Amino acid sequence: DGGITQSPKYLFRKEGQNVTLSCEQNLNHDAMYWYRQDPGQGLRLIYYSQIVNDFQKGDIAEGYSVSREKKESFPLTVTSAQKNPTAFYLCASSPLSTGLTYEQYFGPGTRLTVT
Amino acid sequence: GDSVTQMEGPVTLSEEAFLTINCTYTATGYPSLFWYVQYPGEGLQLLLKATKADDKGSNKGFEATYRKETTSFHLEKGSVQVSDSAVYFCALRVNEGGKLIFGQGTELSVKP
Repeated sequence: DGGITQSPKYLFRKEGQNVTLSCEQNLNHDAMYWYRQDPGQGLRLIYYSQIVNDFQKGDIAEGYSVSREKKESFPLTVTSAQKNPTAFYLCASSPLSTGLTYEQYFGPGTRLTVT
Repeated sequence: GDSVTQMEGPVTLSEEAFLTINCTYTATGYPSLFWYVQYPGEGLQLLLKATKADDKGSNKGFEATYRKETTSFHLEKGSVQVSDSAVYFCALRVNEGGKLIFGQGTELSVKP
């Protein structure tokens, strides 16, 4: 089955620790995206990548880092510099970043709780 | 900049009632418009889309028409079911990196 997997579904960390969220897709999509969702709010873009070994900051990149070493993988690291990391994180992918008609496909999300 | 505004929720309806969730947007150029649905604890699923003015997207009884003159993309369904209870997001896709700009979401609760 083609799709996007995110792991783990729930993640708990102590304040001051870095944590990496996994995102893998087998849809052969070029573009991948990371969003953050807070209660009662829409999704906000953290980082996106249009091609392997290249990525761009979104609207709220501070305190986060990413890599895109393989087409199918786009891990997100939440660093200790992120002031308020507790949130629901969603990964998405899309066939082409330049095709406006293409929708984005979303993974099931990872709920990160930092205490 | 580009933005999406949705009607605030939560919206509570009885089963078989008519649903409208308003969505208006601000964008340069000609974006594509989308409605996504999110069930509790899950990711987003595409509900429908429209890629040019006057297009009507439809799926599972839901419809939305891309109205350029009013910059709107309202979601409608003639008869809602309990299983439609979810959060609905309106979004537009922009040229820069193919990013999606989301509204804040509207929570729908359908009672039997």
